[in-house]
Amino acid sequence: AQKITQTQPGMFVQEKEAVTLDCTYDTSDQSYGLFWYKQPSSGEMIFLIYQGSYDEQNATEGRYSLNFQKARKSANLVISASQLGDSAMYFCLPYDKVIFGPGTSLSVIP
Amino acid sequence: EPEVTQTPSHQVTQMGQEVILRCVPISNHLYFYWYRQILGQKVEFLVSFYNNEISEKSEIFDDQFSVERPDGSNFTLKIRSTKLEDSAMYFCASNGGQGSYEQYFGPGTRLTVT
Repeated sequence: AQKITQTQPGMFVQEKEAVTLDCTYDTSDQSYGLFWYKQPSSGEMIFLIYQGSYDEQNATEGRYSLNFQKARKSANLVISASQLGDSAMYFCLPYDKVIFGPGTSLSVIP
Repeated sequence: EPEVTQTPSHQVTQMGQEVILRCVPISNHLYFYWYRQILGQKVEFLVSFYNNEISEKSEIFDDQFSVERPDGSNFTLKIRSTKLEDSAMYFCASNGGQGSYEQYFGPGTRLTVT
């Protein structure tokens, strides 16, 4: 069965530093896409960024970028210049399957 | 900017009672979803809905759950006889289809079963 793996249940990062959150998609499909969502303590789910397997460039949205490794089927989220407001749960989700990864809890330290 | 809305934001009910959670997806979207998240745990898929019928459902979505799109705008999740373990945050999401991949999530309904 297809599965999303996020290996880091919890991460800490110093404010203004960069942090990388892992996501790997166990699938036999060659065409797929991966989303990242942020869930702050208030509970809402906020879309951050998307990467398609056939996109030629790594996706970038402001301080968020994806380090996409096609052979490994991973799309690791890089948050640059971390801010206190980045403290949240981060979930990875494939675009065509309704399976969430277990999430990574990110804490930004002042 | 269009958004998915959900009502109520918080519902408290007694075990065994029926509850209906309401969602208004983005108006031109075609695909609709319900998820739940038990406090502190991962987000779990319940059901997806397209063209007025269920397209996929998880093992969690048993006979006590049902979904409906009664009037072309609302998308409801009914739990017929609630159990304590149904206490969770329930998220509705919608997707525009036609090459648009992003799921837009509502703010969630926190269901507490006592």
